[in-house]
Amino acid sequence: GIQVEQSPPDLILQEGANSTLRCNFSDSVNNLQWFHQNPWGQLINLFYIPSGTKQNGRLSATTVATERYSLLYISSSQTTDSGVYFCAATYGQNFVFGPGTRLSVLP
Amino acid sequence: DTEVTQTPKHLVMGMTNKKSLKCEQHMGHRAMYWYKQKAKKPPELMFVYSYEKLSINESVPSRFSPECPNSSLLNLHLHALQPEDSALYLCASSLGSSYNSPLHFGNGTRLTVT
Repeated sequence: GIQVEQSPPDLILQEGANSTLRCNFSDSVNNLQWFHQNPWGQLINLFYIPSGTKQNGRLSATTVATERYSLLYISSSQTTDSGVYFCAATYGQNFVFGPGTRLSVLP
Repeated sequence: DTEVTQTPKHLVMGMTNKKSLKCEQHMGHRAMYWYKQKAKKPPELMFVYSYEKLSINESVPSRFSPECPNSSLLNLHLHALQPEDSALYLCASSLGSSYNSPLHFGNGTRLTVT
């Protein structure tokens, strides 16, 4: 099956800093999503981005499907950005999740 | 606010109890999913219903029994669980198959088996 990897596994930032999270996948995919799981366990849909670039406020994402990776950019980070960021790629009818990047934004 | 509603938010049950988790969406989505998430791990797929028919069962033990009464509702019936089944159970839905539509998650049910 498809393998999904994320880097870095952990990231600590000072409030206001920028960061880039990476997601690599082992096979071509039809669908890729980024999620943020907050400390209360809620999984929030950030981007549905099989290819191309999208922006939503301080967050943007780029997927280069031919090279099998996706990037999530967080600019001017805030403490509320803390949590775990997952990418998930489709394999059959399943969304396969990467292991996540745990982000801590310090005030 | 999430458009996928899960109840209850928390559940504590003994190993001999029978309980059910409920999930509801009114977005007209035709695929619904159950995921299980252990602490510090990503969600793992348990079941997929597509157009109210079970299409994927990821070798889940029979003590977990899914049910899809209609296109808006998804239940997970629990019986004779083990302490290692304690986890966050997440319901999700998508408009169609995973090939072409995003996944929307509920807030989850945090289950503790004693």
